[in-house]
Amino acid sequence: DAGITQSPRHKVTETGTPVTLRCHQTENHRYMYWYRQDPGHGLRLIHYSYGVKDTDKGEVSDGYSVSRSKTEDFLLTLESATSSQTSVYFCAIKGSDTGELFFGEGSRLTVL
Amino acid sequence: SQQGEEDPQALSIQEGENATMNCSYKTSINNLQWYRQNSGRGLVHLILIRSNEREKHSGRLRVTLDTSKKSSSLLITASRAADTASYFCATDPTGANSKLTFGKGITLSVRP
Repeated sequence: DAGITQSPRHKVTETGTPVTLRCHQTENHRYMYWYRQDPGHGLRLIHYSYGVKDTDKGEVSDGYSVSRSKTEDFLLTLESATSSQTSVYFCAIKGSDTGELFFGEGSRLTVL
Repeated sequence: SQQGEEDPQALSIQEGENATMNCSYKTSINNLQWYRQNSGRGLVHLILIRSNEREKHSGRLRVTLDTSKKSSSLLITASRAADTASYFCATDPTGANSKLTFGKGITLSVRP
């Protein structure tokens, strides 16, 4: 158990509303990631963080922002949700010694 | 665009047969990793191979890496129905600060 939790696990919202997804870790790892998973696209990197207040964009960052004010939490925010952001969002942390990623169970977001 | 591309997209085999999945990538890497995802769950790390390694084994898994061809293969020997899942390769590009990106995945079905 890598000690990673995502919340909420399921959310239904309307177009134009803000949404924040939270990723929490108990392991004190430096690297944290947000991916989205869609049929036919696999996993695509949205944003990732390599330390407190240190973040970088992935390949599908438009429409998303992130914040990491403390080591254990990495927040993903959709400022104004659109239907194209309906997806399953996965948070992951990188093992400090091994380089492998540990994934959360995912957050299913539906934007109506 | 995604760094890794798996092939084939789908594979159906009989229990007891071997399953071979391939991954090609575009840039220099520090390591390449394979993950498994059961339906509705997060991804689980299977095996990591570093750029200076050519082959690695873990139980029924065998991974090869050919950096000159920018390709990797994952072999699952003596497959079981429980191996039915989606499999993804992920690359850790050189000089990209651990910006791990995934392919679109391979759906493996193992028939009892």
